[in-house]
Amino acid sequence: KAGVTQTPRYLIKTRGQQVTLSCSPISGHRSVSWYQQTPGQGLQFLFEYFSETQRNKGNFPGRFSGRQFSNSRSEMNVSTLELGDSALYLCASSSTLSGVSYEQYFGPGTRLTVT
Amino acid sequence: TQLLEQSPQFLSIQEGENLTVYCNSSSVFSSLQWYRQEPGEGPVLLVTVVTGGEVKKLKRLTFQFGDARKDSSLHITAAQPGDTGLYLCAGQDSNYQLIWGAGTKLIIKP
Repeated sequence: KAGVTQTPRYLIKTRGQQVTLSCSPISGHRSVSWYQQTPGQGLQFLFEYFSETQRNKGNFPGRFSGRQFSNSRSEMNVSTLELGDSALYLCASSSTLSGVSYEQYFGPGTRLTVT
Repeated sequence: TQLLEQSPQFLSIQEGENLTVYCNSSSVFSSLQWYRQEPGEGPVLLVTVVTGGEVKKLKRLTFQFGDARKDSSLHITAAQPGDTGLYLCAGQDSNYQLIWGAGTKLIIKP
């Protein structure tokens, strides 16, 4: 099975711009979660989507949003970028049973740099 | 707020030594997962422990889940440079959400 793929791998944006990141989960996985990872804050949960619906949400401002498509692919969007948004953004997919998420399978991440 | 504390935060040892990483909480988890992350890559799942007192072995790595399912440990025997990485633990709470530890950065020197 192919793993989780994320595009692009690297991105440089200017403060105030917006960005969209894409994630394709492992085939058959219906849950997709997004995380922000920085050296200072560690791994921070952004949100989780299951069957095109946001199921859980972390403590991030409304500038961070996401969606999931019918084929389970997911995108996350960050509007009005700030310098502090520079981070590694990780997507993870999970196989679910009765709506319960299990282990996370991560993609390689998108390294976002905001200048 | 549920917290999962990992210790130590950083560990640098010589090849061949043994080490233990801890993951502690005051909350009970239905399961606990351990991941290893290498620079520039996403975390990779190593193991999931589910039953209190459970011990799982993965070659030189031994994982233990506390009897009360509030803590876990990862023991590495005869560490090798290939074990270098960031080790993360994540506990699954009663709402099926994952609570993540801050990670232990491990460096094994040849």
